Amino acid sequence: NAGVTQTPKFRILKIGQSMTLQCAQDMNHNYMYWYRQDPGMGLKLIYYSVGAGITDKGEVPNGYNVSRSTTEDFPLRLELAAPSQTSVYFCASSYSPGNTIYFGEGSWLTVV
Amino acid sequence: GDSVTQMEGPVTLSEEAFLTINCTYTATGYPSLFWYVQYPGEGLQLLLKATKADDKGSNKGFEATYRKETTSFHLEKGSVQVSDSAVYFCALSPPSSGSARQLTFGSGTQLTVLP
Repeated sequence: NAGVTQTPKFRILKIGQSMTLQCAQDMNHNYMYWYRQDPGMGLKLIYYSVGAGITDKGEVPNGYNVSRSTTEDFPLRLELAAPSQTSVYFCASSYSPGNTIYFGEGSWLTVV
Repeated sequence: GDSVTQMEGPVTLSEEAFLTINCTYTATGYPSLFWYVQYPGEGLQLLLKATKADDKGSNKGFEATYRKETTSFHLEKGSVQVSDSAVYFCALSPPSSGSARQLTFGSGTQLTVLP
C-alpha cells in the first residue's frame, strides 16, 4: 500500500542551490498537490495539477516550479533556494474534486 | 476568500478527559468540511468529513457536526487517550466549480494527552 511517496525525507540546502522534491502516487489519481507547512501554521498550496500535462499555481508559487509528465509523478523544483523556503513539504493526491485527499509523509527542507 | 479559524493550542488534557477543538469557517455556498490529524513525524490523515449541513462525521471516537447556521465544525471526543496526541487541522473544500477543489486549512491545534 504505497499511496503517495515523497523523497527525500530530509534535506539541507545552501542558499542559491537547486533541488527537486519527488512525488509519486500509485492510486491512479488525476489530481495532485504540493503544500508547504511552516511551523505553527496550516498548509498552504504551492502548485496543483488536474492531470498529466496540466499544472496551475496555488497560493504561494513563487520560487517553485512543477511538471506533470505522467499521471503518477509530480516533482517540485526549487530554484535558487532561499531561507524562506525552509519548511515541511507535503505532496498529496485525489481521484477527483471532492474526493478524499491523500498525503505523503512529508519532506523536511532546511535552507542555510 | 475562504478561511478557517481554529482554536489556538496547545491543548493538554488528562487521559479520559473530554475534548473539544473549535473550528469556524468563512466560505460562500456549502463547502465540504474536514478534520485531518497529523501524528508526530507523519503526513496528514483524514480523520472525518461532512459534505452538507447537519451532517455528522465520525471516526475513531471523534465526531464533528456541520453547522451552517453558526458556520462551525467543532471536533469532539468523549474520552481521549494518550495515542490521540497529535496536531489536528480543520479544513474546507469549496463547492465544486469545475476546477480542482483545493483545501483551505486552519493553523492546526496541538493536542497532548497525559497518562
